[in-house]
Amino acid sequence: DAKTTQPNSMESNEEEPVHLPCNHSTISGTDYIHWYRQLPSQGPEYVIHGLTSNVNNRMASLAIAEDRKSSTLILHRATLRDAAVYYCILRDWDAGNNRKLIWGLGTSLAVNP
Amino acid sequence: DAGITQSPRYKITETGRQVTLMCHQTWSHSYMFWYRQDLGHGLRLIYYSAAADITDKGEVPDGYVVSRSKTENFPLTLESATRSQTSVYFCATSRADRGDTEAFFGQGTRLTVV
Repeated sequence: DAKTTQPNSMESNEEEPVHLPCNHSTISGTDYIHWYRQLPSQGPEYVIHGLTSNVNNRMASLAIAEDRKSSTLILHRATLRDAAVYYCILRDWDAGNNRKLIWGLGTSLAVNP
Repeated sequence: DAGITQSPRYKITETGRQVTLMCHQTWSHSYMFWYRQDLGHGLRLIYYSAAADITDKGEVPDGYVVSRSKTENFPLTLESATRSQTSVYFCATSRADRGDTEAFFGQGTRLTVV
């Protein structure tokens, strides 16, 4: 079973903010929270990652709960090109623990014009 | 800057045939990975490599063989293809296999075994 739980689908309007939630109640102290997205017919694309503090980059922001049991990927102004499946995964500091890293089915984001 | 290139993009093969999927990177990343993606499943790790001549099994290695004689190439071979190996295959690279490093994925190879 995936260590993260995400809604199957979400919908947003263009140019509005989008908050994509992820629950990871069994996160360990050495797990980093990673977000990737997959556009149709393409490979997954790295979006952002974090450990404890909120993170920002040119693509998105990552808000991490104080207890680290949940996180939210924030797209500040959704565009049609942001329509994709978004995956939240936990990647361990210890490489040996990543052998059985499980990717769930992610959240399919639809963006309405 | 090609980054990571997979070939072919599409392949149809017959049951029992050997088929090799190629993966080439230009970043000199140490780690390379092969995943498969099937409907109803998330990405599943087949094999990974920490460096040239170092490979190890992932979650679903049966029926697959890998090699890594050069840092930049990581071919995946299906020695005797089966219908259950029909899938989309993704190659990925990473500077390190740690939580603080990101992975970069290729465009994928859609393999159909008939």
